[in-house]
Amino acid sequence: EDKVVQSPLSLVVHEGDTVTLNCSYEVTNFRSLLWYKQEKKAPTFLFMLTSSGIEKKSGRLSSILDKKELFSILNITATQTGDSAVYLCAVPTGTASKLTFGTGTRLQVTL
Amino acid sequence: GAVVSQHPSRVICKSGTSVKIECRSLDFQATTMFWYRQFPKQSLMLMATSNEGSKATYEQGVEKDKFLINHASLTLSTLTVTSAHPEDSSFYICSARAQGAGGYNEQFFGPGTRLTVL
Repeated sequence: EDKVVQSPLSLVVHEGDTVTLNCSYEVTNFRSLLWYKQEKKAPTFLFMLTSSGIEKKSGRLSSILDKKELFSILNITATQTGDSAVYLCAVPTGTASKLTFGTGTRLQVTL
Repeated sequence: GAVVSQHPSRVICKSGTSVKIECRSLDFQATTMFWYRQFPKQSLMLMATSNEGSKATYEQGVEKDKFLINHASLTLSTLTVTSAHPEDSSFYICSARAQGAGGYNEQFFGPGTRLTVL
């Protein structure tokens, strides 16, 4: 059975801190891994990773994939209160490329 | 960018009634739409995959007679929760994949519908 697990489940940090969110997966026929940010409503896309060791960056966010160890991390530097959200990791599975989501990490950034 | 809308955004209904939720791709054609359910403080769980012009594929444990899906056109899929019960209260989110899309980041999410069954 395909599985995506995220850790920690929740995290509270102070503004300015750096955080690392983890995502491990066990899927057959791995193709890619996606990160999403979910605030009040639907998830918004952050990154798609397909190759090991290549870091993707967008402002203060970055992510990297390790296909040998079957995990990915999402880093957020100099966190701001606007980064407070649930961060979801997902992997396309099956022939229909449906997304299997992890449990999510709830990040709260305080002043 | 591609926009997916859902209607209604919020619905409250009595137990035993049926509720229809619409998912529309506004500026692209979607051959495939996905319906997810999200309970409070939990992740998105895929309920079914909806393909235009054919029957939906339901995930294990999802009752197809209770959650009716119709994908009659390339821009509209509907989810009908029949004979809703309080345990069906949840956040329902759809996503749409653009026609011909090869990359998995081309699955666009709707804003979700919060269903409360009294």
